[in-house]
Amino acid sequence: SQQGEEDPQALSIQEGENATMNCSYKTSINNLQWYRQNSGRGLVHLILIRSNEREKHSGRLRVTLDTSKKSSSLLITASRAADTASYFCATDEGGSQGNLIFGKGTKLSVKP
Amino acid sequence: DTAVSQTPKYLVTQMGNDKSIKCEQNLGHDTMYWYKQDSKKFLKIMFSYNNKELIINETVPNRFSPKSPDKAHLNLHINSLELGDSAVYFCASSAHPGQKTFGQGTRLTVV
Repeated sequence: SQQGEEDPQALSIQEGENATMNCSYKTSINNLQWYRQNSGRGLVHLILIRSNEREKHSGRLRVTLDTSKKSSSLLITASRAADTASYFCATDEGGSQGNLIFGKGTKLSVKP
Repeated sequence: DTAVSQTPKYLVTQMGNDKSIKCEQNLGHDTMYWYKQDSKKFLKIMFSYNNKELIINETVPNRFSPKSPDKAHLNLHINSLELGDSAVYFCASSAHPGQKTFGQGTRLTVV
């Protein structure tokens, strides 16, 4: 069953602006991860935030997690044209295999 | 020095054929996965496998079967291909539950 739901489905901004993408999920999780997928390419891991963490930074990326609301946000600051891609949140419900359950993704377009 | 490599990158085949997609990882990870991404970009787990346990998503038809000759390889065999099998298939691996490293994907087109 689908777990993550990203919002918005598509986002178009100008270079230099900030981009915020949101993700909601349904069940309890061990961690939540964000991945980027460039057109026609594989997924690249961006950041992992554990269920006991509230905020995490990596370069221009900032991720927040609110387990009470079962939601997360990904903020990309000072966006660049190279940030154009689809962004997926994925939840890890635990278990021995650690399967990820992905949302449908947000398609981000950064215009130069 | 690709971490997770899949072959072929593109595969076009006729309905009813049997095909395989190969996946190899050189990261020393214990667990490997196959995901299917449909035309709407929705990613869904198909299998996860380590040397102890194979977990199959119950929605995956039994025409799909993973084969692992060793810890570094998890190949995907598909029998009697159908039009609806057209999708991009991603292999991934991880050392433990958490961050996954994905391959570049195999775009399968069934005609």
